[in-house]
Amino acid sequence: RKEVEQDPGPFNVPEGATVAFNCTYSNSASQSFFWYRQDCRKEPKLLMSVYSSGNEDGRFTAQLNRASQYISLLIRDSKLSDSATYLCVVNNDYKLSFGAGTTVTVRA
Amino acid sequence: NAGVTQTPKFQVLKTGQSMTLQCAQDMNHEYMSWYRQDPGMGLRLIHYSVGAGITDQGEVPNGYNVSRSTTEDFPLRLLSAAPSQTSVYFCASSRRLAGGPYNEQFFGPGTRLTVL
Repeated sequence: RKEVEQDPGPFNVPEGATVAFNCTYSNSASQSFFWYRQDCRKEPKLLMSVYSSGNEDGRFTAQLNRASQYISLLIRDSKLSDSATYLCVVNNDYKLSFGAGTTVTVRA
Repeated sequence: NAGVTQTPKFQVLKTGQSMTLQCAQDMNHEYMSWYRQDPGMGLRLIHYSVGAGITDQGEVPNGYNVSRSTTEDFPLRLLSAAPSQTSVYFCASSRRLAGGPYNEQFFGPGTRLTVL
C-alpha cells in the first residue's frame, strides 16, 4: 500500500465552481501535513500547511482527520489560475511522502 | 537570494555513464533532499541530509550517492546510469523548527535526465 494515496482526477470544473478532493495516508504516526501545487512539471510549491483544527487561506480550505487518516482540500470560487496538480504531502520524521497528485482543470 | 538552484536543467546520458547533479541553496537551511518524479508515481525521496556531514537514505537510494560537505551544497551522483533512472530530479531544502519537524520545502527547478 502506498504511504499517501490521492484520486488522480482529473477534476474538470467551470470557473466559479467549488471542487474538493481527499488524500489518505497510511502511517498513523505522521507528524505534519501539507498541500503543494505543481504546474506543468515545474517545481512543487507550498500551497498550505494542514492543521488539526482545519485552516483556511483565502479560497482554499484544508481539513485533517487523524482518526480516519485523510486530508482534504476544498477550493471555492475556482479561477482559471487554479488549474494545476495538487500534491498531498505527509511528514514522517524527516521524510516527506508525496501523493501522485490530483489534477484540477478550471474551464472558462 | 537565489533560493535553491540546480544544474544542469537537461542532461542526456548513455547507459553506464556517471554524472553529478548539482544542488545549492543560499538560505542556510539545515535540511536538504533529493527526489525523483516519474509519471503517475509522485515524488520519491532518494537521499536526504539534516546537516553538513550527515546523510541518509530515502525510499529509492540504489544507484545514487550523496555527500554534504557544506551547508549550501548537496550533489547527487549517478554511479552508472541506467534507463530506469530516466526521470525528473528535484532538490529541496528547508529549515528545521526547534523541537519539531521541518516546515516548508523549497524546491529547485529540476533536472530532466534521459538515459539511453
